[in-house]
Amino acid sequence: GDSVTQMEGPVTLSEEAFLTINCTYTATGYPSLFWYVQYPGEGLQLLLKATKADDKGSNKGFEATYRKETTSFHLEKGSVQVSDSAVYFCALSSNSGGSNYKLTFGKGTLLTVNP
Amino acid sequence: KAGVTQTPRYLIKTRGQQVTLSCSPISGHRSVSWYQQTPGQGLQFLFEYFSETQRNKGNFPGRFSGRQFSNSRSEMNVSTLELGDSALYLCASRASIKQFFGPGTRLTVL
Repeated sequence: GDSVTQMEGPVTLSEEAFLTINCTYTATGYPSLFWYVQYPGEGLQLLLKATKADDKGSNKGFEATYRKETTSFHLEKGSVQVSDSAVYFCALSSNSGGSNYKLTFGKGTLLTVNP
Repeated sequence: KAGVTQTPRYLIKTRGQQVTLSCSPISGHRSVSWYQQTPGQGLQFLFEYFSETQRNKGNFPGRFSGRQFSNSRSEMNVSTLELGDSALYLCASRASIKQFFGPGTRLTVL
């Protein structure tokens, strides 16, 4: 079945440091890939997505590229801020949006950014 | 557009009781999904409803059920609560491949 593996946290960085959170997946067919972010006490917010190989999703300075050859979707940001402190989830959906749609999530990576 | 709303935000129940959680999707979204989030198991898919029909179901016991109304609002019911049902229950709605999540209902079973 589908699965997502994320690097284990927690990750602690200083402000303006470079961020990478690794994500690899196993899925049938050609899944869509997502990064979600969860701030304390809140639900999940979609950060970015990619729907086909070599697509790059980007938002708020975060980027991730869909690498089919390595089945990866690593999250990167060039300069993190204290406000980026949150839990980040990598997720996939094997379905293109029709029936049997569901998201399969990684375990999440807690990021703490210190001033 | 208003986001996904969930009520109540917090709930405390005792073992053996049942509970009903409610979710209102983004206007125009006909698909509503439910997920359970726990520290040990992470985020797990419960089920998806579309136009009042359950289209997909995760690997949860029959104590977990749901339904969707004609206005796309959805309810999730858990009967005979167990301590292990303590979790954050997240509802999500979508119109395409992007799911939008509500803030969740924090259920504590004592």
